[in-house]
Amino acid sequence: AQSVAQPEDQVNVAEGNPLTVKCTYSVSGNPYLFWYVQYPNRGLQFLLKYITGDNLVKGSYGFEAEFNKSQTSFHLKKPSALVSDSALYFCAVRDMNRDDKIIFGKGTRLHILP
Amino acid sequence: KAGVTQTPRYLIKTRGQQVTLSCSPISGHRSVSWYQQTPGQGLQFLFEYFSETQRNKGNFPGRFSGRQFSNSRSEMNVSTLELGDSALYLCASSTDSYEKLFFGSGTQLSVL
Repeated sequence: AQSVAQPEDQVNVAEGNPLTVKCTYSVSGNPYLFWYVQYPNRGLQFLLKYITGDNLVKGSYGFEAEFNKSQTSFHLKKPSALVSDSALYFCAVRDMNRDDKIIFGKGTRLHILP
Repeated sequence: KAGVTQTPRYLIKTRGQQVTLSCSPISGHRSVSWYQQTPGQGLQFLFEYFSETQRNKGNFPGRFSGRQFSNSRSEMNVSTLELGDSALYLCASSTDSYEKLFFGSGTQLSVL
């Protein structure tokens, strides 16, 4: 069965520092991987996705994520954090080879400290 | 282009009642999916519809059901409400199952 794990409930980063939000996944086939962000009072928004191709995916608001097949990870990164990046981040996976449902992680709350 | 519209925004029900939530997708989107969001469990998949056919279903009891109409609008029904059904119910639409999801603002359901 497919699954996705976000091992950290909360991540605190000082403004201007690089940030990483971790995600690992498990699927039997090839994965479709996504990151979504939920800002307070603004709903869930798409950030980026990996389907095939370059392992480094660039997305909205300066975020990027690196697909690592051997480690089954898809960590979200940003070189320099902004206070406005404070939000709830969800990783999601879908098995490309089986027409299966999308699975979301439990979310990681990112706090950027001024 | 209008976004995904969910109605109502808030609902208060009592145990044992039933509730119907509505979702209007972005024009041209044929895939609609539903999710339950709670603080402890994160975002859990309920079901997905594409062109009026249910493509996938999550691990929820049969009290949770849904349907999609020919205009792609979707409804979700929960019968015999339980206290644990209190949650934010989110609807999302996309052009196809593997494309990015566009989420509505959700319906906040409180079961008393």
